[in-house]
Amino acid sequence: DTEVTQTPKHLVMGMTNKKSLKCEQHMGHRAMYWYKQKAKKPPELMFVYSYEKLSINESVPSRFSPECPNSSLLNLHLHALQPEDSALYLCASSQIRRTGGSSTGDNSNQPQHFGDGTRLSIL
Amino acid sequence: AQTVTQSQPEMSVQEAETVTLSCTYDTSESDYYLFWYKQPPSRQMILVIRQEAYKQQNATENRFSVNFQKAAKSFSLKISDSQLGDAAMYFCAYRSLGGSEKLVFGKGTKLTVNP
Repeated sequence: DTEVTQTPKHLVMGMTNKKSLKCEQHMGHRAMYWYKQKAKKPPELMFVYSYEKLSINESVPSRFSPECPNSSLLNLHLHALQPEDSALYLCASSQIRRTGGSSTGDNSNQPQHFGDGTRLSIL
Repeated sequence: AQTVTQSQPEMSVQEAETVTLSCTYDTSESDYYLFWYKQPPSRQMILVIRQEAYKQQNATENRFSVNFQKAAKSFSLKISDSQLGDAAMYFCAYRSLGGSEKLVFGKGTKLTVNP
């Protein structure tokens, strides 16, 4: 069983629908990530949250809207998606290790733990 | 920008045999982290092994070990005593030290284990 839980496992939606993907972890991790993965391709980073604040947005279209309501939850709100957005959406989390006197921390050496993903199909 | 190359799109191995998956990377950084992730058809990405670039000793996790050659920028994964459950897509990944949380993945190697 994965320690990062994603719901739903499968989602089929029309291009005019609004839906949300959810991700939850209870490992005390303060960094959370959304990835998009097309078939037979590696995951592509979409967003990173550190301490519940958006720290990286990889130029993702605005029809994808992330939200981190608390340290355990990460949502991805979907609206007006296109057929090419059909993919596996993976959530991941990792610890943040504070380095020296920095308040920002460093999570580069902490491995990311992935969920099982949500298989999204856009009709 | 860093790049990760996995030159073997597919590999196969007989059960109980040993197989090595190759990975090379390009970076101008002197310190960084390298990972191997496994993704079975169940689709969860599972961390197999990780290596800190400042450590000369190769990482080992049970049947999995790496051959880390920093000067050659090579990070191969050796799987000993292969099992049917090892069949999966294997991704090599690079991560900078500090400031960037981005994992740079290779394109992956699909490993088949034959009984």
